Amino acid sequence: SAVISQKPSRDICQRGTSLTIQCQVDSQVTMMFWYRQQPGQSLTLIATANQGSEATYESGFVIDKFPISRPNLTFSTLTVSNMSPEDSSIYLCSVARGPNTGELFFGEGSRLTVL
Amino acid sequence: DAKTTQPPSMDCAEGRAANLPCNHSTISGNEYVYWYRQIHSQGPQYIIHGLKNNETNEMASLIITEDRKSSTLILPHATLRDTAVYYCIVRLGYSTLTFGKGTMLLVSP
Repeated sequence: SAVISQKPSRDICQRGTSLTIQCQVDSQVTMMFWYRQQPGQSLTLIATANQGSEATYESGFVIDKFPISRPNLTFSTLTVSNMSPEDSSIYLCSVARGPNTGELFFGEGSRLTVL
Repeated sequence: DAKTTQPPSMDCAEGRAANLPCNHSTISGNEYVYWYRQIHSQGPQYIIHGLKNNETNEMASLIITEDRKSSTLILPHATLRDTAVYYCIVRLGYSTLTFGKGTMLLVSP
């Protein structure tokens, strides 16, 4: 298994500001994923972050709004830029257990409220 | 990836078996069936996955029909801590996981 720590666990932010969420894993992993879970909804994949390459974004998500860094095999950040109340969500970091990326471990999430 | 259909909610008495159904009638031959659950205020947790054969681990059993168009996740002795949203996901090869709405399982005393 993998232990995933996310910071912050929750935050309240003002409209128009940006927030960076950190994800730290206790072991080296190739693939990391960032998901968003809006209130009362299911999870939506934002992007896949591989070390040493640009993140791959899903339809509806763009790098200018959600820039991602992946400086090494145990760490990634997701920035939510120029926030609006619609960005209020839980943001979850996940990692693949192994080559079979269907088995994912998830962090506890970062609950973001934008006023 | 094939689409899945799950009931929005189910109830189960504590100690009884919880049988959660999932329809995936458009599944292709090399797509796997995955189950995850999400307990309130936590990140999702992987439960089990399978291709054709029935699978069992320490958490649950997965029964896949012979035509692979549906499956059932079985929690043999449900406890209150099994109250969660259960997601059935069909995934092809190395594609990413797409979560649907899932089934809200409520286990009651």
